Amino acid sequence: KAGVTQTPRYLIKTRGQQVTLSCSPISGHRSVSWYQQTPGQGLQFLFEYFSETQRNKGNFPGRFSGRQFSNSRSEMNVSTLELGDSALYLCASKEGSGQNEQFFGPGTRLTVL
Amino acid sequence: AQKITQTQPGMFVQEKEAVTLDCTYDTSDPSYGLFWYKQPSSGEMIFLIYQGSYDQQNATEGRYSLNFQKARKSANLVISASQLGDSAMYFCAMRESYTGTASKLTFGTGTRLQVTL
Repeated sequence: KAGVTQTPRYLIKTRGQQVTLSCSPISGHRSVSWYQQTPGQGLQFLFEYFSETQRNKGNFPGRFSGRQFSNSRSEMNVSTLELGDSALYLCASKEGSGQNEQFFGPGTRLTVL
Repeated sequence: AQKITQTQPGMFVQEKEAVTLDCTYDTSDPSYGLFWYKQPSSGEMIFLIYQGSYDQQNATEGRYSLNFQKARKSANLVISASQLGDSAMYFCAMRESYTGTASKLTFGTGTRLQVTL
């Protein structure tokens, strides 16, 4: 089975722009979660989608949004970029409900200038 | 309140030796899962091992084992026969079930492991 894929791998944007990141989960996985990793704040949960519905949301401003498509692929959007949004954005997929393994993609490294 | 604590910012181990990375957690949820991930400098988070709170046996995956002590709320990762390729950042994480079937992971601050010759 192919792993979790994320595109693009690297991105450079300027303040005020918006960005869309994409995540394709492992085949058969219906849950996709997004995380932001920065040196100062560590790994922080953004949100989770399951069967096209947002199931959980972290403590991030409304500029951060996401969605999930019927094929379980997910996109994350950040509007009005700020310098502090520079981070590694990781997505993780999981088969479904319950306690089981969660697998991460390689991440998208976003730099905001 | 921080729910996952990794007290070792950095660790050194010689090649072929075993090493233990510490992790303690805090939760009032009786049902939870504990994870360890490895993050090399490339950034990808690599799943290593999982332990459910109701699992009777300690989890093992190849050279990785999880020393789960429920009463002490600790979930230490043991890497046996360290290899140079084990040099990376290691994160302990927890997922609680009180959020329903959601998949939010709470991470510790990580331990940077350096394997030396």
